[in-house]
Amino acid sequence: EIVMTQSPGTLSVSPGERATLSCRASQSVSSNLAWYQHKPGQAPRLLIYDASTRATGIPARFSGSGSGTEFTLTISSLQSEDFAVYYCQQYNNWPPLTFGGGTKVEIK
Amino acid sequence: HLQLQESGPGLVKPSETLSLTCNVSGGSISSSSYYWGWIRQPPGKGLEWIGNIYYSGSTYYNPPLKSRVTISVDTSKNQFSLNLSSVTAADTAVYYCASDTSGYYYFDSWGQGILVSVSS
Repeated sequence: EIVMTQSPGTLSVSPGERATLSCRASQSVSSNLAWYQHKPGQAPRLLIYDASTRATGIPARFSGSGSGTEFTLTISSLQSEDFAVYYCQQYNNWPPLTFGGGTKVEIK
Repeated sequence: HLQLQESGPGLVKPSETLSLTCNVSGGSISSSSYYWGWIRQPPGKGLEWIGNIYYSGSTYYNPPLKSRVTISVDTSKNQFSLNLSSVTAADTAVYYCASDTSGYYYFDSWGQGILVSVSS
């Protein structure tokens, strides 16, 4: 099983600032990585797939990068609606599909 | 754009079977190359993949849960279902259904989730 590790656990950021979230895989997942945004009581939302491709309707302030074992999600200028928990998920080797533990982005 | 909605009991007794249904609207559950999945989130924890079913009916389960999980599709109702047997308190979680319309094993639409508690 591929273990996905996200850091930091919590990120405190002021609106308008840049947020950088990390996701590390225990072995290479190539570019087969997705990022999701999850707000309390809501359905998770796909942001990024194939490590760097934005899903339909996702604003350009969200960008993904990386390959192999190291990945980054960057939110260039945080808006109020971006405060949420973010998860990465690998789909290179499965079953099982595996998620990271999440990074909570909170208002500083 | 697909819409998914979970339904089922919010409380299940230990040792019994948890049964949930996901109603799909905005598209056909029989669409070629689509996967349909279940994911759960125990309180205070991260997301755990339970399993997927392919449009053809092939199933894929998370190994630790495999002996207790069944995912099935009802094309006549445009629904898919999750059965998890012999539940314990550790199965208490918010359960999400989700779709993979790319066929590449990430989830592009999710339901709102349903909290299922296991307690006597």
